[in-house]
Amino acid sequence: DAGVTQSPTHLIKTRGQHVTLRCSPISGHKSVSWYQQVLGQGPQFIFQYYEKEERGRGNFPDRFSARQFPNYSSELNVNALLLGDSALYLCASSPVVEQFFGPGTRLTVL
Amino acid sequence: QQQVKQSPQSLIVQKGGISIINCAYENTAFDYFPWYQQFPGKGPALLIAIRPDVSEKKEGRFTISFNKSAKQFSLHIMDSQPGDSATYFCAATSYSGGGADGLTFGKGTHLIIQP
Repeated sequence: DAGVTQSPTHLIKTRGQHVTLRCSPISGHKSVSWYQQVLGQGPQFIFQYYEKEERGRGNFPDRFSARQFPNYSSELNVNALLLGDSALYLCASSPVVEQFFGPGTRLTVL
Repeated sequence: QQQVKQSPQSLIVQKGGISIINCAYENTAFDYFPWYQQFPGKGPALLIAIRPDVSEKKEGRFTISFNKSAKQFSLHIMDSQPGDSATYFCAATSYSGGGADGLTFGKGTHLIIQP
C-alpha cells in the first residue's frame, strides 16, 4: 500500500512569494495534519483537517492556510514568505489516532 | 500547545546495549503518547505508542514505560544496533471520539549506536 505522498520534494522561493504544498493521505484515512520542522527541532503542529473541515490549528500566523479536498488530499499555502519559513513541511494522515508521516517538502526561502 | 520535554539531547550507546530516552509532559489532558524515529532526509516513522491506562508496552526490542502520576514516559531500545542510529522524538496529544488532536513533539534525541 502506498504511504503518504507529498509534492514537491524540494522547493526554493524568495521572500514575499507564495507557496503551495500538496499531500495525498494513505487510502482510507480521512484526517490530514500539517507540521513544520525546522532543522534540529521537533515538528510543530500547523493544521489538522478531518472530513474537509478544519479540526485544529497551531500557533502559526494567518499567512499559513490549508484546505482538504473531497478525495481527502490537502494543500498547505503560505503567503508572503519569510526567511524563517525555511523548513521541512510534513504531512501526516490518520485513520483515527495514529499519525503516519510523509517524506516532507523541503522549502528554502532566499 | 504545552511543552513536552525530552532528554537527553544526544546519546551514544555501544552495540548490544540499552538505549533510554525520557520525556515529561505538563498537560494532563494528553492521553496518547507515540514515539517516532527519523532518519536524515526522511519523515518521522511511528515506532510505538501508549495510552495511559497501561504502564508498559513492548513491541520487539522497543518498550515504552509510562508513569502517569509523574507525567513521564520513556523509550527503551534493547540490544541496540547500528541501524537504530537516528533521531527519536516523543510526542503527546489528546484523543476524543472524533480522533486525536495535533501532536506536541519533544525536541528530539540524536542516538548513535557504536559498533
